[in-house]
Amino acid sequence: KAGVTQTPRYLIKTRGQQVTLSCSPISGHRSVSWYQQTPGQGLQFLFEYFSETQRNKGNFPGRFSGRQFSNSRSEMNVSTLELGDSALYLCASSSQGGTTYGYTFGSGTRLTVV
Amino acid sequence: EDQVTQSPEALRLQEGESSSLNCSYTVSGLRGLFWYRQDPGKGPEFLFTLYSAGEEKEKERLKATLTKKESFLHITAPKPEDSATYLCAVQIIQGAQKLVFGQGTRLTINP
Repeated sequence: KAGVTQTPRYLIKTRGQQVTLSCSPISGHRSVSWYQQTPGQGLQFLFEYFSETQRNKGNFPGRFSGRQFSNSRSEMNVSTLELGDSALYLCASSSQGGTTYGYTFGSGTRLTVV
Repeated sequence: EDQVTQSPEALRLQEGESSSLNCSYTVSGLRGLFWYRQDPGKGPEFLFTLYSAGEEKEKERLKATLTKKESFLHITAPKPEDSATYLCAVQIIQGAQKLVFGQGTRLTINP
């Protein structure tokens, strides 16, 4: 059974640019969540999508956005990049609300803003 | 405010030396508590979910327990391959699909 796939694995961008990250969940999983991981703040929730609808959003500025497609694949976009956006961005998918089988995370996209 | 605190931040043990990691939480309403393991450069790997005080779960050398205010991850006779960062997270409200993570405990097992 294929796991959660995130692309690309590594990305270097310049301040002011925008970036799009992709996440393909486990087949059959309809919920996709995004997290930002930094050494200082740890793992912080960005947003969660279910059946193409955003159900929950964390405390991040509007520069961070996402969407989910009909095949459950999800993308997140960060516009007007800042140095502080450098982080590991993780995607997690789940089936029955996450509590029975947990959330399965991908390996992440390492974003570096220079 | 919902908070999850893990201690210690880092722990170094000798192979075979058992110990426990702590996760204390202050939340409005607990739906589930999760333990994950994270290796460098990888995403967190699911270990356990605990739902109610008194519950315990085991997997190989790991055993997780839950009380009303904290959870413990006991590691028995650890091996070097158990070296990783262990993360605790809580899901607060049913259907919210949001995890609040602690900062993690970085565990090193020396051979």
